[in-house]
Amino acid sequence: GAVVSQHPSWVICKSGTSVKIECRSLDFQATTMFWYRQFPKQSLMLMATSNEGSKATYEQGVEKDKFLINHASLTLSTLTVTSAHPEDSSFYICSARGGGSGEAFFGQGTRLTVV
Amino acid sequence: AQTVTQSQPEMSVQEAETVTLSCTYDTSESDYYLFWYKQPPSRQMILVIRQEAYKQQNATENRFSVNFQKAAKSFSLKISDSQLGDAAMYFCAYRSRIQGAQKLVFGQGTRLTINP
Repeated sequence: GAVVSQHPSWVICKSGTSVKIECRSLDFQATTMFWYRQFPKQSLMLMATSNEGSKATYEQGVEKDKFLINHASLTLSTLTVTSAHPEDSSFYICSARGGGSGEAFFGQGTRLTVV
Repeated sequence: AQTVTQSQPEMSVQEAETVTLSCTYDTSESDYYLFWYKQPPSRQMILVIRQEAYKQQNATENRFSVNFQKAAKSFSLKISDSQLGDAAMYFCAYRSRIQGAQKLVFGQGTRLTINP
């Protein structure tokens, strides 16, 4: 299957700072990328969908000014958690999909801890 | 809106035995995809198997097979000859085939334990 690389795998940051998470499709062009949040022992919660060159579409209840998503190229999307607070601590997962009926492939996830 | 329900929060099976994980979904659409994903302790999501709704034949991938009952909106996963490496969270997911529809709708997950 195709490879999606997410970086960093884990990050610890101080409350009030911003953190950027990168998601790269290594061997295919990702026309669409998805960002999920996963709480312990729970399912994946979709935060937003982004298409290359377009503004991201956020799910209801997700603060777009807090979770900034950029999908500037067909191989890279970034999620920036701005002014992070301890309640933003979570596991964040990206997924990338090519065009047509292509599968969505997942990154390995990023564990964010805000202290 | 579509929903996916996994009614078994946890399941366990003896190594080498067979286990079936249940999934039901609700949709008014006639054409869609269904998936089973595995999330091991590493938390990397791995596609296990995929079914296209227009295909009557149940999908199989080695020891993994599905029982797709379209009229009943049921999509169960059967794991044969269970191995220790099968221990993981398993998520059932739905995706529409309507043009422009892109997102996966996940179930709540089933934690599968393999007993040696």
